[in-house]
Amino acid sequence: QVRLQESGPGLVKPSQTLSLTCTVSGDSIGGSGFFWSWVRQHPGKGLEWIAYIHYSGSTHYNPSLKSRVIISVDTSKNQFSLKLRSVTAADTAIYYCARDVPFDLWGQGTLVTVSS
Amino acid sequence: EIVLTQSPDFQSVTPKEKVTITCRASQSISTSLHWYQQKPDQSPKLLIKYASQSFSGVPSRFRGSGSGTDFTLTIDSLEAEDAATYYCHQSISYGGTFGQGTKVEIK
Repeated sequence: QVRLQESGPGLVKPSQTLSLTCTVSGDSIGGSGFFWSWVRQHPGKGLEWIAYIHYSGSTHYNPSLKSRVIISVDTSKNQFSLKLRSVTAADTAIYYCARDVPFDLWGQGTLVTVSS
Repeated sequence: EIVLTQSPDFQSVTPKEKVTITCRASQSISTSLHWYQQKPDQSPKLLIKYASQSFSGVPSRFRGSGSGTDFTLTIDSLEAEDAATYYCHQSISYGGTFGQGTKVEIK
């Protein structure tokens, strides 16, 4: 059974960098051929795709976030990661990692609050 | 950016009734349109991919149709467990964009 699990700090100060990791179990990031994504959901609001990465290193970013986001993959650990710099309160959201496009498998999500 | 507009925003429905949710794209997206169900405090789950293909394990009462700019999610004979928010999602442009969601409440 394939599972995705997000991890990282639940509280980030304004202007700092938000860093999250998604650990994949039951599937190999390096061998599956899928794209691996980050999606976020502001509290009580809709969904926003942030970025995705292929194990080969190919990446694509949401144009509205592209200048602040880096997505990376570590196939040896079967993980992929998100860094969002210069955060503000507007980046407070539940962050999900997800597999492929369309997103056929999701992690449980992790709430990240931006506050001093 | 391709904008997806869902209607209605909210629907209160009696069990066994038929539910229809529409999703309109601001430009043609062929059939690169997917539907998700999100229950409270849960992550979204894929229901329908590429407009009309049922995802594995999804009950047959969920059906998708459409192409171009106009799409429909139909729930035949609503069950109590179908209370959720439903989102459409287009992927013709990389990871794409989502509709604003339609909340379905059980009367």
